[in-house]
Amino acid sequence: SAVISQKPSRDICQRGTSLTIQCQVDSQVTMMFWYRQQPGQSLTLIATANQGSEATYESGFVIDKFPISRPNLTFSTLTVSNMSPEDSSIYLCSVVWGDEQYFGPGTRLTVT
Amino acid sequence: AQSVAQPEDQVNVAEGNPLTVKCTYSVSGNPYLFWYVQYPNRGLQFLLKYITGDNLVKGSYGFEAEFNKSQTSFHLKKPSALVSDSALYFCAVRARYSSASKIIFGSGTRLSIRP
Repeated sequence: SAVISQKPSRDICQRGTSLTIQCQVDSQVTMMFWYRQQPGQSLTLIATANQGSEATYESGFVIDKFPISRPNLTFSTLTVSNMSPEDSSIYLCSVVWGDEQYFGPGTRLTVT
Repeated sequence: AQSVAQPEDQVNVAEGNPLTVKCTYSVSGNPYLFWYVQYPNRGLQFLLKYITGDNLVKGSYGFEAEFNKSQTSFHLKKPSALVSDSALYFCAVRARYSSASKIIFGSGTRLSIRP
């Protein structure tokens, strides 16, 4: 299995600021995925991050708003830029390991 | 494009009764199918998966799901519900053609078990 940790676990931020979320995996993985879960909603895929190349963003998400880094096979960051209250969500990192998909514990972001 | 539908926002069941949470999917080729559960203020927990083989898959906490290819469904079931099963349940699908392909989630079904 793959064990995923995220930092921070939660944060309260002011609008207009940026927050960088870190994701660490205990195994080397090719792809890492970033999801967002807005209050009471399902998980929406933001982007797929492949080591050594630009992240692939889903419709409705752009690199300027959610820049992603993937410097090695066990680590990734997601930045939520120029935040607004609408960005208040849980952000989850995820990896595929074998046939299963594993999720980090999430980062609960509140923007005031 | 792959998609997942959970037609019921909420399912209410009396404790001890059987429960079913519905899920249908659309994906090219044969899918990987998953069920996850999310308890209040807790992370996403894996329940079970269908990869290949027997269409009836058994998972954690007494849950099972049946893969029906002709109906493109993967309904979650439990013979006897517990109050502690009350949570948010997500069905998810991943295309089989690539082990690194993305997983797509359904909208979620809130399961409420009354004593």
